[in-house]
Amino acid sequence: AIQLTQSPSSLSASVGDRVTITCRASQGINSGLGWYQQKSGKAPKLLIYDASSLESGVPSRFSGSGSGTEFTLTISSLQPEDFATYYCQQFNTLPLTFGGGTTVEIK
Amino acid sequence: QLQLQESGPGLVKPSETLSLTCTVSGDSISRSSHYWGWIRQTPGKGLEWIGNIYFSDTTEYNPSFESRATISVDSSKNQFSLKIHSVTAADTARYFCARREDCSSANCYIGGWFGSWGQGFLVSVSA
Repeated sequence: AIQLTQSPSSLSASVGDRVTITCRASQGINSGLGWYQQKSGKAPKLLIYDASSLESGVPSRFSGSGSGTEFTLTISSLQPEDFATYYCQQFNTLPLTFGGGTTVEIK
Repeated sequence: QLQLQESGPGLVKPSETLSLTCTVSGDSISRSSHYWGWIRQTPGKGLEWIGNIYFSDTTEYNPSFESRATISVDSSKNQFSLKIHSVTAADTARYFCARREDCSSANCYIGGWFGSWGQGFLVSVSA
């Protein structure tokens, strides 16, 4: 199975900061990567699919980039509602796998 | 508006079978071109994909669960279900059902991402 390693595992940031989260795949997955946001007690919410396509209704401050083995999720200007845990997921091959998560906390 | 809702027993005894149902509204499983999936979340292992099903009963399973998990569909009730046999405390988790998407405007994938999720259902395995 393809392993996804997210870094950092947690970070502290302030409202207005630019935040970047990295997801590295153990082997090439083309553009087969998505990003999710999860808040406590809720289901994950899809933000990005196909590595860089913004899901309908998701604010444009979220963006994704990368292909192959290295991917990034960027929040251009962190908002109060963005404090959450973020997960990457690869879907290029089965079994589908998720990264370990990155928690974005308030500084 | 698509909605998914998990239901089932919240407490299962060790060695018994965990059974969950996902009721779908706002889309028809039998007329949809989507796969429907189960994912679980534990503090120790994070998010784990269990498997997917298509209305024709075509299934995909994570090899980590294939020997114990069974996913089935009841199109007449617009539901799909998960059974995990011979559970242990390690199967204590929040279980989510979700609808899988596998094609963007540019690419189609063997796997897929999950655009719509149920709220999740906590199952505890304990005597």
